[in-house]
Formats: sequence, C-alpha cells, structure tokens
Amino acid sequence: YEVTQPLSVSVTPGETATITCGGDKIGRRNVHWYQQRPGQAPVLVIFRNSNRPSGIPDRFSGSNSGNMATLTINRAQTGDEADYYCQVWDSTAVVFGGGTNLAVL
Amino acid sequence: EAQVLESGGGSVQPGESLRLSCAASGFTFRSYAMGWIRQAPGRGLEWVSSISRDGDYIFYADSVEGRFAISRDDSKNILSLRMNNLRVEDSALYYCAKGGEYGDWNFDQWGQGTRVTVSA
Repeated sequence: YEVTQPLSVSVTPGETATITCGGDKIGRRNVHWYQQRPGQAPVLVIFRNSNRPSGIPDRFSGSNSGNMATLTINRAQTGDEADYYCQVWDSTAVVFGGGTNLAVL
Repeated sequence: EAQVLESGGGSVQPGESLRLSCAASGFTFRSYAMGWIRQAPGRGLEWVSSISRDGDYIFYADSVEGRFAISRDDSKNILSLRMNNLRVEDSALYYCAKGGEYGDWNFDQWGQGTRVTVSA
C-alpha cells in the first residue's frame, strides 16, 4: 500500500495550511500525522484521522474520506515550519508517506 | 512522562552486526506495542519493525526481513533491535518509538535516535 504526499506546501503566516495524503480508499483506514521540526524527532500531532494528542494546539485538525486524508493547520505560525508525515497500517506493515515540507513565509 | 532512550549505534563495515537498545520509562512498558523507525540523512521516515505488547506479533519491513530481529524484555523495560549483515543502505538515524494508546500501530512517543553508519 502506498500513500502520496506533496513534496512541499507554503503558506503565509496567519493563513491556513492544508497537507494531503492520498491513497486507494484511504478513508477506510486510520491515518496518523507527525510533525518533524529540523533536527528533532517526530511528534504525533493527529491520530485516528482527526484526534489531537494532549498538548497539540487545536489549530491542528485532520480529516479522512475517500482517497484523501488531510491535515489542516489554521492560523499558521513560523513555528509550524516542519516536515509532516502521514502514516497508516497495512495489515502487516507501517506505511509512511514521503513527507511534506511546510514553509511559512 | 513517557520517555524512550536509544543506544547502541555506531560505525561498522558492510556485513557486520549491531544491537540497538531502547530503554523505556514513565509508562507501563508491557502494555504497549513498540517500534523502530529509521531516517537516512536528508530522507523521510522509513518504518523498520514493530512488536506487539505481548510480543506475539512481530512485523518487519521487506528491506530488513531476515536480517533484523526485534525483541522486548518487559522485566527490564527494554526494546532491542539486532541487526545482522548490515548494508550501506542501512545507514540512518534509528528511532525507537512507543505505540499509541489504541493499538493502531502508530507511535506517540519517540526517542532522539541513535546513529548507525555502515561503510567500507
């Protein structure tokens, strides 16, 4: 199973960033999202499509339907600049997307 | 606070072996699946292996199947990854990660990683 992310997304500070994760009937799977700032370990920001772990700002939200899952970051800040990865489970393997670099400028 | 701390990385030649360890603290280790994920310099995340909370289910990426072995010691709160017949393409930062709360094979706590370099 493969999931596809755009290589990069750019957004103006204060605007909304949308990062997609495409896959065949991905809406039937649970999708998780990670943020990885430069030089740091990944952090789970969304689990099970739309749930935020404790400590993650409510500016982060997720959705999943059909062949596309989406991570939305409202009121984007420079501190949100990072690589974002989607992840699913495929029977016997964890599958990560290739990652999307978010630039806030 | 849940924490995981990796160790055991280093520089080796192709064909050699390494054993990575991950010490867990701040959570009930035996109650969670665990996993290893690696990241080559400048590249994305690549899942390596996962083990269920009871150790009954073990999964590997195709790229490491037959060469790597994941294990856990619930009495010592330690996750291990035995890596045999290492290849140049195994060079990466290896992260240990705690499984999520709902058994979805996601990872809700990551360590800072341990570096593995394989070169002649």
